[in-house]
Amino acid sequence: TQLLEQSPQFLSIQEGENLTVYCNSSSVFSSLQWYRQEPGEGPVLLVTVVTGGEVKKLKRLTFQFGDARKDSSLHITAAQPGDTGLYLCAGAGGSQGNLIFGKGTKLSVKP
Amino acid sequence: DAGVIQSPRHEVTEMGQEVTLRCKPISGHDYLFWYRQTMMRGLELLIYFNNNVPIDDSGMPEDRFSAKMPNASFSTLKIQPSEPRDSAVYFCASSRQGVVKTQYFGPGTRLLVL
Repeated sequence: TQLLEQSPQFLSIQEGENLTVYCNSSSVFSSLQWYRQEPGEGPVLLVTVVTGGEVKKLKRLTFQFGDARKDSSLHITAAQPGDTGLYLCAGAGGSQGNLIFGKGTKLSVKP
Repeated sequence: DAGVIQSPRHEVTEMGQEVTLRCKPISGHDYLFWYRQTMMRGLELLIYFNNNVPIDDSGMPEDRFSAKMPNASFSTLKIQPSEPRDSAVYFCASSRQGVVKTQYFGPGTRLLVL
């Protein structure tokens, strides 16, 4: 069974701080995605990484896919209250159509 | 373009009643997923369809849960009889066939069973 473990589970920081959240597995994924979910809404895709070692930047967010395609990290620089939400990583395992979701990191950025 | 549409957005019912949740996926998407989200268990995949055919229903908790997809533009998730432990947010998502399987989620149905 493929599992994705995310850490930390909860994170509360002040505006302007930097943070990193992690997504780890013992399984290899063909691609990995990060979603953000705001209260009362469904998750929304932020980024997809496909190649081992790949780094993608989305404004103040930096996403990295591990060389072995088993793990990923999300780094936020100078966090803002608008970054508050639940961050979910999701892996695509192969020919099946589904994604494997982690349980998420709940981020709170206080002004 | 319309995204994934779910109805109702909120449902409050009493234990033992039948609950039907509805979903309209994005036009042209081949896959449809039903998820349940709770604080304790996170986002759980219940069942998913490919071209209207159920592919994996191993996440369906028990026989009280059933899902159908009679055509490419409509799916239902039914709980009968409902129990308080079924209280959760239920999401429907759809995606296209392809290597990169981006899922587009609806706004969810918040279910409370009293």
